[in-house]
Amino acid sequence: AQRVTQPEKLLSVFKGAPVELKCNYSYSGSPELFWYVQYSRQRLQLLLRHISRESIKGFTADLNKGETSFHLKKPFAQEEDSAMYYCALSDPGATNKLIFGTGTLLAVQP
Amino acid sequence: ETGVTQTPRHLVMGMTNKKSLKCEQHLGHNAMYWYKQSAKKPLELMFVYSLEERVENNSVPSRFSPECPNSSHLFLHLHTLQPEDSALYLCASSQDSGKHYEQYFGPGTRLTVT
Repeated sequence: AQRVTQPEKLLSVFKGAPVELKCNYSYSGSPELFWYVQYSRQRLQLLLRHISRESIKGFTADLNKGETSFHLKKPFAQEEDSAMYYCALSDPGATNKLIFGTGTLLAVQP
Repeated sequence: ETGVTQTPRHLVMGMTNKKSLKCEQHLGHNAMYWYKQSAKKPLELMFVYSLEERVENNSVPSRFSPECPNSSHLFLHLHTLQPEDSALYLCASSQDSGKHYEQYFGPGTRLTVT
């Protein structure tokens, strides 16, 4: 069965430090992976998707099929990056069925 | 209001009550979704509608009954719920139901079943 694992519930770093939010998945086939973010008092929104291969707000994520990982990285964390981050996998098939991880709360300390 | 709106934002209901959650999207999208977010569990997809037709029903108990009268509105009718149904219910929409499309989420309805 398809599954997304985010092993860390909370990640606390200091401003300017590098950040890596871990995401592992189980999937047979070619997955489509996403990172969604929820800032305080805001709604859940897409941060980036692996097919775009783009950097959003300084964040990047590389799909590693060998390790079945899609870790989210940023070289220098900012206080405004503090939020809940969810990794998600698009289920196979025709419909846009997202399977989410449990999320990681990133807290960037001043 | 723009984007995806949900009403009510908070709802407390008894196990014998009947209530409905409403979602409206102002984005011109063709697909709409209901998700459930329970404490300490990942978001779980409940239903997917594409052009008002249900295309996904994720083994949800029949006490949850969705309705999509048009592509802009989605309802979740609730009856004889259980305390374990207490959760945040999120609505989302996307341009189409294909798997490449970004999903836009509403703010959610916090449901408490007493």
